[in-house]
Amino acid sequence: EPEVTQTPSHQVTQMGQEVILRCVPISNHLYFYWYRQILGQKVEFLVSFYNNEISEKSEIFDDQFSVERPDGSNFTLKIRSTKLEDSAMYFCASSEAAGGGSSGYTFGSGTRLTVV
Amino acid sequence: DQQVKQNSPSLSVQEGRISILNCDYTNSMFDYFLWYKKYPAEGPTFLISISSIKDKNEDGRFTVFLNKSAKHLSLHIVPSQPGDSAVYFCAAYFYGGATNKLIFGTGTLLAVQP
Repeated sequence: EPEVTQTPSHQVTQMGQEVILRCVPISNHLYFYWYRQILGQKVEFLVSFYNNEISEKSEIFDDQFSVERPDGSNFTLKIRSTKLEDSAMYFCASSEAAGGGSSGYTFGSGTRLTVV
Repeated sequence: DQQVKQNSPSLSVQEGRISILNCDYTNSMFDYFLWYKKYPAEGPTFLISISSIKDKNEDGRFTVFLNKSAKHLSLHIVPSQPGDSAVYFCAAYFYGGATNKLIFGTGTLLAVQP
């Protein structure tokens, strides 16, 4: 079964450093998303991406964050100047249809980001 | 702005019994409701969905009920199995509107006791 692949599974970084989280969505999907989950809290929407541009972003997704689809397969989330409160699980997701249709999105297994 | 709410942070049931997970929402414009299951250190996995024009959808041991007048949906798992132990998230979205993002509830940790 097709899956969304995320790398690395765990990233530890110093506060103030930049990190890039990588995702390979399902190949025939057109809509891409980043969500995050701070430990013990809900899964929060960060950004959606379609047709090589951001279609929606949350208030969490400020100038510190950016997304890119550098080639036909990868979808990346860059966090500049990381802060302690950026520590979370970051999930990439993709879908064939806007909103995901009746089967929603397919999520990757996540990247655990720890900022020290 | 908590549009999707799961008021029970945890639920414990005996193996073989029914598990009922509840979810409330505030926005009557949602078109689809979904349930996701999440194990620790893994991403959410789609379980079952229901369109806003339906009141029930069944898939094997899993049934989702939608009560639009009460803005409430529930997930029934019968019979519950130890492997069902996970966090269950309710989610919803608008179709074709200004946004296409899934909005998640806070999750309910289900523990199925052998």
